[in-house]
Amino acid sequence: ETGVTQTPRHLVMGMTNKKSLKCEQHLGHNAMYWYKQSAKKPLELMFVYNFKEQTENNSVPSRFSPECPNSSHLFLHLHTLQPEDSALYLCASSPRAFYGYTFGSGTRLTVV
Amino acid sequence: GENVEQHPSTLSVQEGDSAVIKCTYSDSASNYFPWYKQELGKRPQLIIDIRSNVGEKKDQRIAVTLNKTAKHFSLHITETQPEDSAVYFCAASTGGADGLTFGKGTHLIIQP
Repeated sequence: ETGVTQTPRHLVMGMTNKKSLKCEQHLGHNAMYWYKQSAKKPLELMFVYNFKEQTENNSVPSRFSPECPNSSHLFLHLHTLQPEDSALYLCASSPRAFYGYTFGSGTRLTVV
Repeated sequence: GENVEQHPSTLSVQEGDSAVIKCTYSDSASNYFPWYKQELGKRPQLIIDIRSNVGEKKDQRIAVTLNKTAKHFSLHITETQPEDSAVYFCAASTGGADGLTFGKGTHLIIQP
């Protein structure tokens, strides 16, 4: 483990379901991120939280809703997803912006 | 926003030879350039990074060079070994509250 833990590791959900992804870090980092990784595409930045404040929302559809209750935890709430949302969702943290990330192992999401 | 182009998408080299992966970026304000290695089924891991006040950085068999005028940076791996086989991602950031913008990745294959 690198210090960034994501749960669940795998998730299969129907298009009408509501689910949440969880990310937890105990590295004392102040910035946390959600990225989407699809086949043959670059890692796509979704959300940035810096000192618990959302500083970037990269034109992500509203069916994805982030939550950062404290600097150690980050959630991604999912509802009414589409099949094209199937991907690996990676959480990362860094001491602050402008420093290298530590990634979690990701959640492999399949929307059926 | 920032745009990062990475080449080649696939690189096959003989074990012991050198490998070079190149990236270009669009935003002249970018000042932080990390490289990540992602093995199959695993999380991306930071292997080396460089900041804009430095032109070159080395860590054992890995080196990164940066040309700010031309807005490109490169990863050099010497004396390649089978365990170097992975997907490598470059990234760029302007710092502040931004997240990283990643290239599409290079699949490096080390031929025995």
